[in-house]
Amino acid sequence: DSGVTQTPKHLITATGQRVTLRCSPRSGDLSVYWYQQSLDQGLQFLIQYYNGEERAKGNILERFSAQQFPDLHSELNLSSLELGDSALYFCASSVGLAGGPYEQYFGPGTRLTVT
Amino acid sequence: AQSVTQLDSHVSVSEGTPVLLRCNYSSSYSPSLFWYVQHPNKGLQLLLKYTSAATLVKGINGFEAEFKKSETSFHLTKPSAHMSDAAEYFCVVSRSGRRALTFGSGTRLQVQP
Repeated sequence: DSGVTQTPKHLITATGQRVTLRCSPRSGDLSVYWYQQSLDQGLQFLIQYYNGEERAKGNILERFSAQQFPDLHSELNLSSLELGDSALYFCASSVGLAGGPYEQYFGPGTRLTVT
Repeated sequence: AQSVTQLDSHVSVSEGTPVLLRCNYSSSYSPSLFWYVQHPNKGLQLLLKYTSAATLVKGINGFEAEFKKSETSFHLTKPSAHMSDAAEYFCVVSRSGRRALTFGSGTRLQVQP
């Protein structure tokens, strides 16, 4: 158990809908990262937050957004869903930005199926 | 820019024989390198990390990796495979580990009895 929690574990929804994935980082970790794992694209970085602020963006679609709250949990919002958004979404956390290097600890993932 | 290439998409070994999973990296700065493992329907678990302190890195479950700058490689090895090692293995590069991780395409390890 990495200490990173993600809910829900599975999500099935229809095209055009909007969903919210939730992540709680390990205790003490300030940095949260979101990744998408799909069969055709592999594991890709989406976005990073540090202590409530966006720090880096990867291959995140404009239909997707995220935020990190004062209690450090993070939510990834996916809207206008398409079939191709079906994937496993991972959240990871690490200690911080200064110093390092730090390893990232991954949650169990949320499997999103768009029908 | 940074990237990793995992040279084998599938590796099959017999239980008790050595494991070698190959990884080459490209980075414009001194990289942090990691190996993660993903068992079926599970999340990603860190096996080991290289952070410039030592070129031979020991990880969990008997795995180790050697950083070779001249060859830009970070191959993962284990002297004797166990059935429980069957999983997907990812070679990962990052700038100090506090930025986004760049994943290789993965190597699926099969262990035959």
